[in-house]
Amino acid sequence: GEDVEQSLFLSVREGDSSVINCTYTDSSSTYLYWYKQEPGAGLQLLTYIFSNMDMKQDQRLTVLLNKKDKHLSLRIADTQTGDSAIYFCAEESYGGSQGNLIFGKGTKLSVKP
Amino acid sequence: DADVTQTPRNRITKTGKRIMLECSQTKGHDRMYWYRQDPGLGLRLIYYSFDVKDINKGEISDGYSVSRQAQAKFSLSLESAIPNQTALYFCATESSDLVNEQFFGPGTRLTVL
Repeated sequence: GEDVEQSLFLSVREGDSSVINCTYTDSSSTYLYWYKQEPGAGLQLLTYIFSNMDMKQDQRLTVLLNKKDKHLSLRIADTQTGDSAIYFCAEESYGGSQGNLIFGKGTKLSVKP
Repeated sequence: DADVTQTPRNRITKTGKRIMLECSQTKGHDRMYWYRQDPGLGLRLIYYSFDVKDINKGEISDGYSVSRQAQAKFSLSLESAIPNQTALYFCATESSDLVNEQFFGPGTRLTVL
């Protein structure tokens, strides 16, 4: 079945760039997503990319998509302590036991001052 | 006011007790989900519903049941709670527009002793 893989932890210094990587399996996904979970809260959609795009930039966030390798990344420029959170990559599914979105296990980003 | 609310926010119970977690939404979305989150395991889908009285099993539905009697409400029941159901539980609603964005509640922390 479909699966989304991402590393569990990333630690960076404040001001550096963070790159969170993700691999997915379903090449038919129309959109791929990044969700952010701040401590003590639910997930919130951070950004998404249409599968026909290679890159999407939104202020400090850059999403890169390599469809051939099924690789998605999220780059956060000038990382701040407020960016400390868990970041989930997600691909689309189409019902069955996985619902409409398949989430990775999440990457916990720790930002050190 | 929050669009997706969950009650209770925290609950401690004993093995064998019946527990109900409630989710309400004011977003007018047809689709609703229940997930559990465990450290290192990410989000796992328990049940989901695409409409009133529509119920679909997720990956880990055993030991749980749900009810969707109204569009705005989706409740999750643990018929006989066991310690390995100790987790953080999230309800989510989904827009059925072009982008499958899910909106999460704040979570319910359940501890089964």
